Amino acid sequence: QQQVKQSPQSLIVQKGGISIINCAYENTAFDYFPWYQQFPGKGPALLIAIRPDVSEKKEGRFTISFNKSAKQFSLHIMDSQPGDSATYFCAASYSGNTPLVFGKGTRLSVIA
Amino acid sequence: GAVVSQHPSRVICKSGTSVKIECRSLDFQATTMFWYRQFPKQSLMLMATSNEGSKATYEQGVEKDKFLINHASLTLSTLTVTSAHPEDSSFYICSAIEGAGTGELFFGEGSRLTVL
Repeated sequence: QQQVKQSPQSLIVQKGGISIINCAYENTAFDYFPWYQQFPGKGPALLIAIRPDVSEKKEGRFTISFNKSAKQFSLHIMDSQPGDSATYFCAASYSGNTPLVFGKGTRLSVIA
Repeated sequence: GAVVSQHPSRVICKSGTSVKIECRSLDFQATTMFWYRQFPKQSLMLMATSNEGSKATYEQGVEKDKFLINHASLTLSTLTVTSAHPEDSSFYICSAIEGAGTGELFFGEGSRLTVL
């Protein structure tokens, strides 16, 4: 049973465009939803995270939108740049020292 | 942000040998660390949860006798792949939680294991 479903699997966006990646979760006990960025051969790096008490969080060009009733959250990358080309993973966990459950990842390519 | 260091970043070994990978939290104490495994172009799969001073908790399907985990201090966890085989070749990534129960995980840079 896949607890966090991520889409699309791959995404190509023009430079300056908006990249949108979506995730849906099943476990209503989840209360922490981070997004990670991973470059080839590197470990994942925390990009931005949100908790269910807010519907949106913005940090620079990155925005998380969270819909608790639909059990969905998404990552928006504004003004996408070639340097944003990477694999993005959504994840979820619940409070305490619990591990993250990851989505399958989205490979983003930003083309000039 | 918090720093998690992994060593070695790359290792090549012969089939049948054992390999140890270290994971250190450099600027915080981590009572819990997690070990993930990632095959090419796939997501991270949790292998085990490592708790300081106690036995690790392994996910279903992960052989605890093959993947030995030791979390002897609040800043160090080790993963030993015993009697490695080519199918164990993968990217192994550790992560640690900063603070108590915040849920924010920081990852190491990963260790790429190639078994010949």
